[in-house]
Amino acid sequence: DIVMTQSPDSLAVSLGERATINCKSSQSILYRSDNKNYLAWYQQKPGQPPKLLIYWASTRESGVPDRFSGSGSGTDFTLTISSLQAEDVAIYYCQQYYGDLHTFGQGTNLEIK
Amino acid sequence: EVQLLESGGDLVQPGGSLRLSCTTSGFNFRTYAMSWVRQAAGKGLQWVSTISASGGNTHSADSVKGRFTISRDNSRNTLFLQMKTLRAEDTAIYFCAKARVPVEYSSSSDYWGQGTLVIVSS
Repeated sequence: DIVMTQSPDSLAVSLGERATINCKSSQSILYRSDNKNYLAWYQQKPGQPPKLLIYWASTRESGVPDRFSGSGSGTDFTLTISSLQAEDVAIYYCQQYYGDLHTFGQGTNLEIK
Repeated sequence: EVQLLESGGDLVQPGGSLRLSCTTSGFNFRTYAMSWVRQAAGKGLQWVSTISASGGNTHSADSVKGRFTISRDNSRNTLFLQMKTLRAEDTAIYFCAKARVPVEYSSSSDYWGQGTLVIVSS
């Protein structure tokens, strides 16, 4: 099974500053035949289901603000929020969908400093 | 408008069984893979199971393999999760989620239900 590990577990960033969340997979999730990384990022706020932010590691879902961006390839990935807004306070999860078992990272709790 | 509505959550004793349903509308259900994801109180998301659009390909997490069975009825636009031999650690909110890409098993999930609560306790 592919294990996803996020860092840090918790992060406090000032409004308007950059937030960076990392995600590492235990094996490559780059599918050579289509050159795509099978990784998604989700945002979850209290009492709500997860919301898809990014898929294929770097493609922003429709309607997601452009301050959210994803990068990385192979086993190392990053979610960046370029200028933190109050409404971005949430828990963020990465998920791989390369293998048969679509595992999530443990989550990163993002707060305002 | 895409809608997913889970139901069937309940309080059940350890060793008991439960069947969850996810009723969908607003998209061509038979074209998309579907998944169940759960979340224990105060904990992270845990992928449980995914089923292909046709229903012919299914996979489940090791923690539920042999106890939980995912299935679907494409004529009723409904996803199911049959849960047997339930344990206390299965207590969680169970979400159903729709694949973003049609036909493909390997896809992120773009729409989620609000979840249904399963409590396993004596």
